[in-house]
Amino acid sequence: QKEVEQNSGPLSVPEGAIASLNCTYSDRGSQSFFWYRQYSGKSPELIMSIYSNGDKEDGRFTAQLNKASQYVSLLIRDSQPSDSATYLCAVKGGNTPLVFGKGTRLSVIA
Amino acid sequence: DAGVIQSPRHEVTEMGQEVTLRCKPISGHDYLFWYRQTMMRGLELLIYFNNNVPIDDSGMPEDRFSAKMPNASFSTLKIQPSEPRDSAVYFCASSFYGLGNTIYFGEGSWLTVV
Repeated sequence: QKEVEQNSGPLSVPEGAIASLNCTYSDRGSQSFFWYRQYSGKSPELIMSIYSNGDKEDGRFTAQLNKASQYVSLLIRDSQPSDSATYLCAVKGGNTPLVFGKGTRLSVIA
Repeated sequence: DAGVIQSPRHEVTEMGQEVTLRCKPISGHDYLFWYRQTMMRGLELLIYFNNNVPIDDSGMPEDRFSAKMPNASFSTLKIQPSEPRDSAVYFCASSFYGLGNTIYFGEGSWLTVV
């Protein structure tokens, strides 16, 4: 059974700091990796996708992938109170739908 | 451009009643997904369709759950009879050109069974 594991948190960081969110997955055949953000009472929205080993940067967000270690991370630089949300890691194999982790709750303290 | 539209947004029903959740995917999307989200289990895939055809319903918890997609612009998820443990947020999502593309979620249907 494909599994995606995340620390549930809450992860508390001060405003302006770097928030680091981590995710591990069980299926070595996984090919696509996504980070979704979900505000309380709202639906998940895609913020980053990554497909190959290494780093991918988009504004204040950096996704990191290490397929050998089956590890994905999301770094949020200069964290803002508006970044406070639950971050869901999602992993996809070749022809299978996304499997989501349970999410990490991030709290950015002003 | 309209996103995924779900109805009702909120539903409170008594145990044993039938519940029907509705979804209109984004026009042109060929995949439709039904997810359920709870604190305990997170976001679980219940069933997904490709071109209106159910592909995998292994996530449907019991025979009380059924889903249909009679055409490309409409899908339903039905629970009959409903039970308190069915209380959750049910999300419909759609995507284009296969499973590799971005999944867009609806706002969700918040179901409470008392």
